[in-house]
Amino acid sequence: GAVVSQHPSWVICKSGTSVKIECRSLDFQATTMFWYRQFPKQSLMLMATSNEGSKATYEQGVEKDKFLINHASLTLSTLTVTSAHPEDSSFYICSARRLANIQYFGAGTRLSVL
Amino acid sequence: AQTVTQSQPEMSVQEAETVTLSCTYDTSESDYYLFWYKQPPSRQMILVIRQEAYKQQNATENRFSVNFQKAAKSFSLKISDSQLGDAAMYFCAYRYSGGGADGLTFGKGTHLIIQP
Repeated sequence: GAVVSQHPSWVICKSGTSVKIECRSLDFQATTMFWYRQFPKQSLMLMATSNEGSKATYEQGVEKDKFLINHASLTLSTLTVTSAHPEDSSFYICSARRLANIQYFGAGTRLSVL
Repeated sequence: AQTVTQSQPEMSVQEAETVTLSCTYDTSESDYYLFWYKQPPSRQMILVIRQEAYKQQNATENRFSVNFQKAAKSFSLKISDSQLGDAAMYFCAYRYSGGGADGLTFGKGTHLIIQP
């Protein structure tokens, strides 16, 4: 089956620093990847759509300058949380679209900002 | 905008019994996809089953089946012969099938407890 790798699985950082999260499709090419955010005991909320070779599309209310997305290749998308603050602490999950309308998810990244 | 509603925050079922999780959605589109995802304690999202809106036949995957009622905008998940490994959060999700690369819209989830 399709495998999506997300790294790191857990990161702790100091307030004001930037954190980069990687999402890789290991056995298929993904022109489109998605980034979601999940608060404790809540649902997943789509943050942005990452398109290979072009700018990401952000959902309403998501700060583009805070959450930088780069989709430089067909197998890698990165999410950088810039100048992270405690309110950015959350669980971030990526997914990659392979076959028609099937998204495969990474295992998620827990971000804790102190 | 589309919305997905899961009205059961938590459900409990005895092992080997059958349980049904409810999901309703709201959309003005006629072509779309519906999904059920499972999120165990590991938090890895796992696709359980999917349904294309243009198909009248309900999707089935082994012990998992759906009851898709397009007119009522209802998409329930039935789990037969429940097993301990089925314990997880279950999310209903919607995706428009038109052009573009839209992400999924999720419901708030149902926490399924399996009683041994």
